[in-house]
Amino acid sequence: NAGVTQTPKFQVLKTGQSMTLQCAQDMNHNSMYWYRQDPGMGLRLIYYSASEGTTDKGEVPNGYNVSRLNKREFSLRLESAAPSQTSVYFCATKRTGSTDTQYFGPGTRLTVL
Amino acid sequence: KNQVEQSPQSLIILEGKNCTLQCNYTVSPFSNLRWYKQDTGRGPVSLTIMTFSENTKSNGRYTATLDADTKQSSLHITASQLSDSASYICVVSASNYQLIWGAGTKLIIKP
Repeated sequence: NAGVTQTPKFQVLKTGQSMTLQCAQDMNHNSMYWYRQDPGMGLRLIYYSASEGTTDKGEVPNGYNVSRLNKREFSLRLESAAPSQTSVYFCATKRTGSTDTQYFGPGTRLTVL
Repeated sequence: KNQVEQSPQSLIILEGKNCTLQCNYTVSPFSNLRWYKQDTGRGPVSLTIMTFSENTKSNGRYTATLDADTKQSSLHITASQLSDSASYICVVSASNYQLIWGAGTKLIIKP
């Protein structure tokens, strides 16, 4: 079992370029999440999907869009990248309960020049 | 405002020594508190979870405590090993499922 996988691992973009970060899980979890992690700050939730077919905004959704393609896959799209979006992006999954553990992917390190 | 503050920001100790990391929170209504370990270049991995009624929970050499009255938690690491070098993140869950993440404590274990 791969758990939670993310592609790519690293990416450099120029301001204004677009890209999609991919996340896939084989844990049969209902909920999936996208976070960004910046130095000196806690993880911040961008978007989440409580179940297949639903998505909701998190704390910092501006500049991002998401697609819950099916139960396994949850993608994050940057339509017009900005330097402020330079960050490490993590995808996470969870069954559904409030005490269930979130399982994280290895992250995507994105630099926007 | 819901907040989680961790201290210290960073800590260096010698291999074999013990250490304690702190987490103070102002989250209401409180549901549970979790400690994560994040190795460099990896995603966070859950160490422990505690609900309102739990004071102490252990996971090997890691022992977490929770004082719901003072809204404080600690993570104690016993007989540290080089593999304990990582960031340790405190996360508090509110009853509405919202997660509030601390910024983490970076722990370096020196041989």
